[in-house]
Amino acid sequence: DAKTTQPPSMDCAEGRAANLPCNHSTISGNEYVYWYRQIHSQGPQYIIHGLKNNETNEMASLIITEDRKSSTLILPHATLRDTAVYYCIVRSRNAGGTSYGKLTFGQGTILTVHP
Amino acid sequence: AAGVIQSPRHLIKEKRETATLKCYPIPRHDTVYWYQQGPGQDPQFLISFYEKMQSDKGSIPDRFSAQQFSDYHSELNMSSLELGDSALYFCASSLGRLQETQYFGPGTRLLVL
Repeated sequence: DAKTTQPPSMDCAEGRAANLPCNHSTISGNEYVYWYRQIHSQGPQYIIHGLKNNETNEMASLIITEDRKSSTLILPHATLRDTAVYYCIVRSRNAGGTSYGKLTFGQGTILTVHP
Repeated sequence: AAGVIQSPRHLIKEKRETATLKCYPIPRHDTVYWYQQGPGQDPQFLISFYEKMQSDKGSIPDRFSAQQFSDYHSELNMSSLELGDSALYFCASSLGRLQETQYFGPGTRLLVL
């Protein structure tokens, strides 16, 4: 699976949008971009995923660049409860790959939302 | 909606003892993954099962074994426990091993004294 690079930490004011970047310059055509977050020792929580089109759900939006080498997770109105470690993960979803679906967690971004 | 259930939530063991962690996947999910998260570290993949067969294996010590049962629940057996095995152990489940999103349980916190 392709490697991802994220800033180690970011701050955001409550009520403002949080934009979390992720670089995945070696991503291949059959690899999806997944975002999970982990709130202090809880189980990682799925947020959103995408292949090449922008995606939106009730939690967040995912913007993937046209060349697919980077993406941005957007939390439109951050709250204090969004303070967490955010993981950007590239994952193959095709048979014959080496991952068979496992998630490879990298360093992640510690997002701190301030009042 | 039903989530992944893990038991026990907390476990304290002595060195060289054994421990068994259990994972009950979301109903209808047929794939289970186990991850280990040491203190201050990111989750690391251990092993996965699809339709009761081992699907993939990561950095799981030989002292650990796991299996998935006919009702799709899974157990992680850990023997000859070492201090370094103290960690959070997460189970995740999905419908299918490749196509679908993994959903994580709350984890089991294991402390080895």
